[in-house]
Amino acid sequence: AQSVTQLDSHVSVSEGTPVLLRCNYSSSYSPSLFWYVQHPNKGLQLLLKYTSAATLVKGINGFEAEFKKSETSFHLTKPSAHMSDAAEYFCVVTQTGANNLFFGTGTRLTVIP
Amino acid sequence: EAQVTQNPRYLITVTGKKLTVTCSQNMNHEYMSWYRQDPGLGLRQIYYSMNVEVTDKGDVPEGYKVSRKEKRNFPLILESPSPNQTSLYFCASKEEAYPYNEQFFGPGTRLTVL
Repeated sequence: AQSVTQLDSHVSVSEGTPVLLRCNYSSSYSPSLFWYVQHPNKGLQLLLKYTSAATLVKGINGFEAEFKKSETSFHLTKPSAHMSDAAEYFCVVTQTGANNLFFGTGTRLTVIP
Repeated sequence: EAQVTQNPRYLITVTGKKLTVTCSQNMNHEYMSWYRQDPGLGLRQIYYSMNVEVTDKGDVPEGYKVSRKEKRNFPLILESPSPNQTSLYFCASKEEAYPYNEQFFGPGTRLTVL
């Protein structure tokens, strides 16, 4: 069985400070993991993905995530938040051989000027 | 421009009145999928299609139908909509049915069933 838990429904940071959005997953087999971002009234856009290559994955807009198998985590980070980062972020898991994605419930990121 | 389009973007209807939400992609993608997004629940998959004439149920298929007669189109059909189908719907596609391929999402259709 697969599932994703996003540990915070809402995160608020000041502009220029680090961002940490937490995600834990459960998967019976080798997972593929993604982070998607959804800006207000927009569709979802892929930020980055992990597919069993390097455990530290770099994405667009300065975001990165580290796959930690021992902790079953895939937390999203960014060194310095920008106002344009304000959006909802979804952690997603699937597994080899499967074609359905399991989404977390989302984390809304607010960036304070 | 490579994109996934959905129509209509907004729809208000009444219980029991059949409706169709269209989805079209111009990237020659084999895999297409429908999701619904509800507050506090994230996105949940309704149906997916790995290629023409091949469709399969996702996590929440009850009350929905789909068809895939052409590669580019994947309409979502609600034969008898009910208020619990009020939601934000997203269509998505990806190049092949490999789990690690990126999905491209449409802009969403906000459906209200009264």
